[in-house]
Amino acid sequence: DQQVKQNSPSLSVQEGRISILNCDYTNSMFDYFLWYKKYPAEGPTFLISISSIKDKNEDGRFTVFLNKSAKHLSLHIVPSQPGDSAVYFCAAKPSGSRLTFGEGTQLTVNP
Amino acid sequence: DADVTQTPRNRITKTGKRIMLECSQTKGHDRMYWYRQDPGLGLRLIYYSFDVKDINKGEISDGYSVSRQAQAKFSLSLESAIPNQTALYFCATSDKSPGLGGETQYFGPGTRLLVL
Repeated sequence: DQQVKQNSPSLSVQEGRISILNCDYTNSMFDYFLWYKKYPAEGPTFLISISSIKDKNEDGRFTVFLNKSAKHLSLHIVPSQPGDSAVYFCAAKPSGSRLTFGEGTQLTVNP
Repeated sequence: DADVTQTPRNRITKTGKRIMLECSQTKGHDRMYWYRQDPGLGLRLIYYSFDVKDINKGEISDGYSVSRQAQAKFSLSLESAIPNQTALYFCATSDKSPGLGGETQYFGPGTRLLVL
């Protein structure tokens, strides 16, 4: 039972354009959502988060959108840079419980 | 210096062998976690510990055991390794939830394990 799903295993974008990574979830008890970025041979690193009381959170080039009615989360990166090429994991958790991760999306930003 | 360290970084072992993966952290966090990553499956939780006297099973604990020797140390053991335990293993730490929202987890660099 995959409660957090990233349906696109990979995404390729041109430098300077927008990258949109998507994530769907099924558990209505999830109230905190995060995005992690992972480079090869390194552990995942925290990127940005959003709680269920918000529908948008922005940090520099990164914006996370939450659509609770659709149980959908997206990460926008604009403008995309070659250094953004990495695997991106979305994750979600109910209050007081543990994180559940999606499968990951490999983003490639071409110069 | 890295805040979350894992040893070894790479390990090759044979079926049936017992191995231990170790994790240490200098972040002063109470909570520690062990995950495995497999292609197409993302990160799956094996065990987690919210303090030294607390151990909890995650999604896929069968075939694994853990020991929380101190606040800073959390070890993962494979008592009798099998080939489908070949994976990338990550340790993570977090502080207590800050209230509204949730805590951020900080990951180690990973251990790549191959079971022949």
